[in-house]
Amino acid sequence: GAGVSQSPRYKVAKRGQDVALRCDPISGHVSLFWYQQALGQGPEFLTYFQNEAQLDKSGLPSDRFFAERPEGSVSTLKIQRTQQEDSAVYLCASSPTAGGEKLFFGSGTQLSVL
Amino acid sequence: EDQVTQSPEALRLQEGESSSLNCSYTVSGLRGLFWYRQDPGKGPEFLFTLYSAGEEKEKERLKATLTKKESFLHITAPKPEDSATYLCAFSNQAGTALIFGKGTTLSVSS
Repeated sequence: GAGVSQSPRYKVAKRGQDVALRCDPISGHVSLFWYQQALGQGPEFLTYFQNEAQLDKSGLPSDRFFAERPEGSVSTLKIQRTQQEDSAVYLCASSPTAGGEKLFFGSGTQLSVL
Repeated sequence: EDQVTQSPEALRLQEGESSSLNCSYTVSGLRGLFWYRQDPGKGPEFLFTLYSAGEEKEKERLKATLTKKESFLHITAPKPEDSATYLCAFSNQAGTALIFGKGTTLSVSS
C-alpha cells in the first residue's frame, strides 16, 4: 500500500498478557517512530529508529516496553505484562529522511487492557 | 523545560466564520514548529513546517504563522470538512522526536 500500515487495528488484552503491535512503514523510509496517544491528548514519543538502529528509546515508559526493527523496514512494539494504564492508541510514523520531521502516520492500534 | 500549549481546547464555528488557533511554545533551540491535522480514528496528517519567526505557509483555507513565542493557524471561511483536531508540535536541538500539544478540536457546522 501507499501509506503506513498498522496491525491489528484493535487489540483487547487481559491484564498481564503480552502483546505485539506491528508497523509496516512506507517503502524506503529511513526513519520510524512510535508514539502513544491517550484519549484527548496529543501523541507522546516512545522510540525512534533510523534504519535498523534504535537511536532513541527515551520515551518508553518502562522496561515492559520493547521495540525492534531488525531489517530496517517492519517494526514491532512489544508490551509485556500489560497494565490498565497501557490502554491507548499506539501510532507508528515513518519519514523518508533521517531525523524525520515530516512524518507520515498510520491509523494506529487501539489497545484496551481489561 | 520545553513545552507547547494549544488554545482553545475546542472551537465551534459556523461555516464561513474565520478564526485562529493558538500554539504557545517555550523551546530552547527550536528546530521547527509543525502543524498536523487529525481526524477521528486516524493518525495525524502533516500540514505545515515553520522554521523561523516571521515565516508563513498557506494551504487552501489554512495559513500558519510563527513568532518567537507563538504560532497561529488561521482558518479562513471554514467548511464542515475542516472539522478535525489540529495538533501543534515542535522539534528541538536535543533530539529527533516531535513534541506534540494536546490539540484544538474544531467543529464547523453548516
